[in-house]
Amino acid sequence: EADIYQTPRYLVIGTGKKITLECSQTMGHDKMYWYQQDPGMELHLIHYSYGVNSTEKGDLSSESTVSRIRTEHFPLTLESARPSHTSQYLCASSGHFSTDTQYFGPGTRLTVL
Amino acid sequence: GIQVEQSPPDLILQEGANSTLRCNFSDSVNNLQWFHQNPWGQLINLFYIPSGTKQNGRLSATTVATERYSLLYISSSQTTDSGVYFCAVERVGGSEKLVFGKGTKLTVNP
Repeated sequence: EADIYQTPRYLVIGTGKKITLECSQTMGHDKMYWYQQDPGMELHLIHYSYGVNSTEKGDLSSESTVSRIRTEHFPLTLESARPSHTSQYLCASSGHFSTDTQYFGPGTRLTVL
Repeated sequence: GIQVEQSPPDLILQEGANSTLRCNFSDSVNNLQWFHQNPWGQLINLFYIPSGTKQNGRLSATTVATERYSLLYISSSQTTDSGVYFCAVERVGGSEKLVFGKGTKLTVNP
């Protein structure tokens, strides 16, 4: 079972602030993902990475950016938060093979006032 | 892109009842996973099942890839089974990205 951590769990901030959502995993997984999920809705992929120095945009357009400097760490940054960014952000990771399952962190619930 | 449809969207059961959740998908897949999201938002992987049948305790799943659907069976449901069940698929040639359905919200009453 993968251990994957997200901080903070809850964040309430004002418009225009810069924020970074942290995601770390301890299983040495190559692949990591960020999903956005509005309450009661499906998950949408916004960023993914297949390894260090590899990042790609997902299917849902997002103003956030990501970096992958270390295998275990995949932070997401919003340079200037807006109320439209209010949502839950879920980080996930999986192993090298396409048959590997995805393991999810507990999520960060972001509210921008 | 690939379409993933889950049914029913909502399901209310009494404790002890059985249920079947369905996932239809519009293209050939090489990865299909079922997840449970608990009321606190945590997603747990239940099955990796691009084809065939698997069982884990009271839960089992069957995917008929040639007919493009998967079924999740929950037997003797418990209140802790409540939450949202998501089906997610990766189409053949899909760059290892999962596409999620809208989920089935299950409520199990005591």
